[in-house]
Amino acid sequence: EDKVVQSPLSLVVHEGDTVTLNCSYEVTNFRSLLWYKQEKKAPTFLFMLTSSGIEKKSGRLSSILDKKELFSILNITATQTGDSAVYLCAVANYGGSQGNLIFGKGTKLSVKP
Amino acid sequence: GAGVSQSPRYKVAKRGQDVALRCDPISGHVSLFWYQQALGQGPEFLTYFQNEAQLDKSGLPSDRFFAERPEGSVSTLKIQRTQQEDSAVYLCASRLQEWAYNEQFFGPGTRLTVL
Repeated sequence: EDKVVQSPLSLVVHEGDTVTLNCSYEVTNFRSLLWYKQEKKAPTFLFMLTSSGIEKKSGRLSSILDKKELFSILNITATQTGDSAVYLCAVANYGGSQGNLIFGKGTKLSVKP
Repeated sequence: GAGVSQSPRYKVAKRGQDVALRCDPISGHVSLFWYQQALGQGPEFLTYFQNEAQLDKSGLPSDRFFAERPEGSVSTLKIQRTQQEDSAVYLCASRLQEWAYNEQFFGPGTRLTVL
């Protein structure tokens, strides 16, 4: 059975800290891995990763994929209170309905001032 | 609008009632997905449309759940004879192409509470 596991499930840090969120997966016919940020509204897209070892960056956020070890990490540097959210990791595979996403449970990040 | 919209944002139903949830995808997006997100969980796939064709409904939990997209744009998810276990946030997402690496864009969801 395809599955995506995120860790930790929750995390509390102070502003300025650096955090690393983990996502491991067991999915047949892997196509891509995506990270989303979910506040009390729609999940918003952060990154899509398809190739191993290529880091994607957007401001203070970065992510990398390891297709051999079947995991990805999301790094956030110099955290701010606005980074508080649930971060969702999802994997798309070639099977199923043409790329529906298989999600982990998410990591709830709380950034304290 | 620029994004995916859903209505209503909140819905309270008595057990046994029927509900209809609406999704307006981004204009021109071919693919449309429905997901169910229970409290503290990640979204789980329900069904997928490519234009007006429902190509996968393997995630629908029971035959009380029905979805349609008759003109290939707006979609409606209908739940008949709601049960308490149907309480969740229902997310709609759209994607530009039917087979691509493009990301899915999510709507804000409809929070359904069944009493």
